[in-house]
Amino acid sequence: KAGVTQTPRYLIKTRGQQVTLSCSPISGHRSVSWYQQTPGQGLQFLFEYFSETQRNKGNFPGRFSGRQFSNSRSEMNVSTLELGDSALYLCASRTTGASTDTQYFGPGTRLTVL
Amino acid sequence: DAKTTQPNSMESNEEEPVHLPCNHSTISGTDYIHWYRQLPSQGPEYVIHGLTSNVNNRMASLAIAEDRKSSTLILHRATLRDAAVYYCILRANAGGTSYGKLTFGQGTILTVHP
Repeated sequence: KAGVTQTPRYLIKTRGQQVTLSCSPISGHRSVSWYQQTPGQGLQFLFEYFSETQRNKGNFPGRFSGRQFSNSRSEMNVSTLELGDSALYLCASRTTGASTDTQYFGPGTRLTVL
Repeated sequence: DAKTTQPNSMESNEEEPVHLPCNHSTISGTDYIHWYRQLPSQGPEYVIHGLTSNVNNRMASLAIAEDRKSSTLILHRATLRDAAVYYCILRANAGGTSYGKLTFGQGTILTVHP
């Protein structure tokens, strides 16, 4: 099975722009979660989608949004980019919703905001 | 979310066992203990998880204290490839619609010397 794929892998934007990142989960996985990783804050949960519905959300401003499509692919969008949004954005997928589910992470999208 | 405490860093020599401790004194009865690791320039990967009993898989062993307030990830023979940041995470069991939020701490940076 192919792993979690994220596109693009690298992205450079300027302040004020918006960006859309894409995540394709492992085939058969219905849940997709997004995380932001920065040197200062570490790995922080953004949100999770399950069957096209947002199930949980972290403590991020409304500029961060996401959606999930019927094929379980997910996108996250960041509007009005700020310098502090520079980070590695990771997507993870899993099969169902059990606490024992393993999450499979993609390689991430490295976003640089200038 | 219940919090975990891990040492910032540990060192080991290749071919020797490594014991990575994690304290989770506020764990609730239904929290699962998960371990993930993140190799350089990669997304986190699942290592092992457990609830009450010790667990073994091809990657590692998980020893859980009887009172569940601490656990230890055991790498039986460290290799250079095991150099990574190791995260101990508690995952709440929210019933049939458990959410995918993983709360990552700072983790333990494991250095393996040849």
